[in-house]
Amino acid sequence: RKEVEQDPGPFNVPEGATVAFNCTYSNSASQSFFWYRQDCRKEPKLLMSVYSSGNEDGRFTAQLNRASQYISLLIRDSKLSDSATYLCVVNSGQNFVFGPGTRLSVLP
Amino acid sequence: DVKVTQSSRYLVKRTGEKVFLECVQDMDHENMFWYRQDPGLGLRLIYFSYDVKMKEKGDIPEGYSVSREKKERFSLILESASTNQTSMYLCASSPISNEQFFGPGTRLTVL
Repeated sequence: RKEVEQDPGPFNVPEGATVAFNCTYSNSASQSFFWYRQDCRKEPKLLMSVYSSGNEDGRFTAQLNRASQYISLLIRDSKLSDSATYLCVVNSGQNFVFGPGTRLSVLP
Repeated sequence: DVKVTQSSRYLVKRTGEKVFLECVQDMDHENMFWYRQDPGLGLRLIYFSYDVKMKEKGDIPEGYSVSREKKERFSLILESASTNQTSMYLCASSPISNEQFFGPGTRLTVL
């Protein structure tokens, strides 16, 4: 089993749609959690950290369920500019483990 | 703003050549990382370093070595480049257990 797994994708959604990404991790000692986005031919950039109580940043909401070892990202009212690959990242001490990513295409 | 720079955006080398990829960060971060990213395989950790002169193997260290003589600089070395090392190489830095900041990447082609 891979240490971090994500929805395989790709997700193709119309503008304005709500889309949810799921991520599971296997290391119960994991301490911190992040969602990154990566545009085509660019480096990954932090989208948001994920906190135990859940957190929201504008149209983006992240949730963490430590008991189920599950992380989610919800994007509301999706925009064309949200098209990218979304990477789930889990930190266990000093090492960051990246999921394979889920590609999102928002269509006009 | 944190800045992570990599010495080259594109590099073409021949099989057997020694290749140096340099990474510099300007935020006094303790941790630095080297990844490679390949289609369908995602980011895979090659080596990381949590202090000057310290290094730890990641998931795929074979064929690579690293050097961290100064806190701001982390070098990846391919002792004898092979065609299966053609890839996008990404450097990142982070404060302890916090988010990573990535450089723009080096696309290496080994002929």
